[in-house]
Amino acid sequence: DGGITQSPKYLFRKEGQNVTLSCEQNLNHDAMYWYRQDPGQGLRLIYYSQIVNDFQKGDIAEGYSVSREKKESFPLTVTSAQKNPTAFYLCASRSGARGHSYNEQFFGPGTRLTVL
Amino acid sequence: AQSVTQLGSHVSVSEGALVLLRCNYSSSVPPYLFWYVQYPNQGLQLLLKYTSAATLVKGINGFEAEFKKSETSFHLTKPSAHMSDAAEYFCAVTPSGAGSYQLTFGKGTKLSVIP
Repeated sequence: DGGITQSPKYLFRKEGQNVTLSCEQNLNHDAMYWYRQDPGQGLRLIYYSQIVNDFQKGDIAEGYSVSREKKESFPLTVTSAQKNPTAFYLCASRSGARGHSYNEQFFGPGTRLTVL
Repeated sequence: AQSVTQLGSHVSVSEGALVLLRCNYSSSVPPYLFWYVQYPNQGLQLLLKYTSAATLVKGINGFEAEFKKSETSFHLTKPSAHMSDAAEYFCAVTPSGAGSYQLTFGKGTKLSVIP
């Protein structure tokens, strides 16, 4: 089955530690996205990538970093510079070349990060 | 720039009653609009999308939405609520045209269904 996998489902981190969240897709999609979800806040875009080896900051990129070395993988690192990292993190992907903005995003199951 | 407003962070309906979840958007160019559903501790699933082909859009699980340009609205409806409809619903907008890759989401509406 094609889809998006995120691991782990639950992640605990001590303050001051960096942590990396995994996102893999086998949908052959060009674009990939990372969102942060907090209760009552909707989804806020952290980073996105339209093509391998290229990515752009979203609305709340401070304290996060990403890489896109392979088309199917888009890991997110939450660094110690992120002041309030406890949240639900969602990865998404979208097919289509430039101009196909009507193509929907497909979402993974999410990773819940808790800072202890 | 675009934005989405979802009126009502919580909506409660009785089982079998009409479901109406409101979404108003702001966009400087013709938009594409989406409704997603999220069950607890899961990712988002697409319910339906408006891409200018038809103003009344039918989606999965009996949901539909109507695009009204004059009202800048894209409200989600379902004639008869099921217990399984209890979830959080998100409206999202993206500008049509080349180079538009980002979705802007509303803050969500949590739907409760009372037996």
